[in-house]
Amino acid sequence: DADVTQTPRNRITKTGKRIMLECSQTKGHDRMYWYRQDPGLGLRLIYYSFDVKDINKGEISDGYSVSRQAQAKFSLSLESAIPNQTALYFCATSGGGQGFYNEQFFGPGTRLTVL
Amino acid sequence: AQTVTQSQPEMSVQEAETVTLSCTYDTSESDYYLFWYKQPPSRQMILVIRQEAYKQQNATENRFSVNFQKAAKSFSLKISDSQLGDAAMYFCAFHNNAGNMLTFGGGTRLMVKP
Repeated sequence: DADVTQTPRNRITKTGKRIMLECSQTKGHDRMYWYRQDPGLGLRLIYYSFDVKDINKGEISDGYSVSRQAQAKFSLSLESAIPNQTALYFCATSGGGQGFYNEQFFGPGTRLTVL
Repeated sequence: AQTVTQSQPEMSVQEAETVTLSCTYDTSESDYYLFWYKQPPSRQMILVIRQEAYKQQNATENRFSVNFQKAAKSFSLKISDSQLGDAAMYFCAFHNNAGNMLTFGGGTRLMVKP
């Protein structure tokens, strides 16, 4: 069984629609992250959360919001999708702390297309 | 803020040969971590190798090794005895010691020729 799961895996939506991407993890990690991948730009951080009551903006948070419903669940919402939000979205988790505890584990990604 | 640069958008290598992927970064911190991730066509992000900045010894994982030059802020990945399964996107990533985020380079697409 996958440790970090994302739903849906692929989604096509229209401009102006609200959409939610969901992430669940069974690794018992406190920290969860949402990244966006665009060709030539690598992955960029959208939001991150160190525990249920902690939400922080990342590098590119405009147009996105998140919710940490439980330690194991972290969802990303696009309130009104626009075409330039077409991208591959990744959820990741980490155990926090120093050293190798910083390693992040990634979900399988969600391919989002906004028409 | 940190920046990570991968100057080679695409590389190709003959099967069984050796290839080196380049990565440079910019930071004012002295303690940090560096990673190489592999992304095959399945899209999954797979950790290949990691390096702690305080360690002078270069990390090695089987056929994968790094050349870490801290003063030059360079972190290249060497793949020996390249295999067809090594074909993928490779991302270099910087992790600050505070542990709150990874900064990725733009990626290098590696093609392996049989």
